[in-house]
Amino acid sequence: DTGVSQNPRHKITKRGQNVTFRCDPISEHNRLYWYRQTLGQGPEFLTYFQNEAQLEKSRLLSDRFSAERPKGSFSTLEIQRTEQGDSAMYLCASSSYGLAIANTGELFFGEGSRLTVL
Amino acid sequence: AQSVSQHNHHVILSEAASLELGCNYSYGGTVNLFWYVQYPGQHLQLLLKYFSGDPLVKGIKGFEAEFIKSKFSFNLRKPSVQWSDTAEYFCAVNAPGGSYIPTFGRGTSLIVHP
Repeated sequence: DTGVSQNPRHKITKRGQNVTFRCDPISEHNRLYWYRQTLGQGPEFLTYFQNEAQLEKSRLLSDRFSAERPKGSFSTLEIQRTEQGDSAMYLCASSSYGLAIANTGELFFGEGSRLTVL
Repeated sequence: AQSVSQHNHHVILSEAASLELGCNYSYGGTVNLFWYVQYPGQHLQLLLKYFSGDPLVKGIKGFEAEFIKSKFSFNLRKPSVQWSDTAEYFCAVNAPGGSYIPTFGRGTSLIVHP
């Protein structure tokens, strides 16, 4: 178990640029979640996948945000035309759901990708 | 929609003091409840969880939490804190009817002085 891996860990960009974050979940997990966390707040749900299907995306913050999980393994979160308000920590988590492994509802988080928009 | 309230945003204690962090949720149906912890520089990790059965659940590092359904609460407790308990603590709830998407509270920052 290598845990959930996120890259890059830190990204500094200028307003208006596009950024992409990658998440590699725990290999046997079929669910993958993206959350955003700002200073002094808890994780805020953005979207999630079950295998390659994106089952909920209405909570993505705007149409500048998009996520993919093309083969049901790793996922990417893209933010187009970044704004200063997008500065935050972007968290990825994975879990098992409906598999032989008991569905505990526990999320396993990565260390996050911190975005700073100048 | 479910929501979670954590009333204590910042708590400062001395070692050996007792800890209780409040968590209330709003959802009328069956819920699963969690406490996560984030130590400085580390990722969020599970401290304990409640799904069903005994409403008093025990987690790692001497933490426990009590589910009181009538109060929609899931408070976290530890009888004697240590300096190493300094961290951010997040309460979370998910509802089986809500596709198991956890909703988190805003967190409590705990500082324990040696």
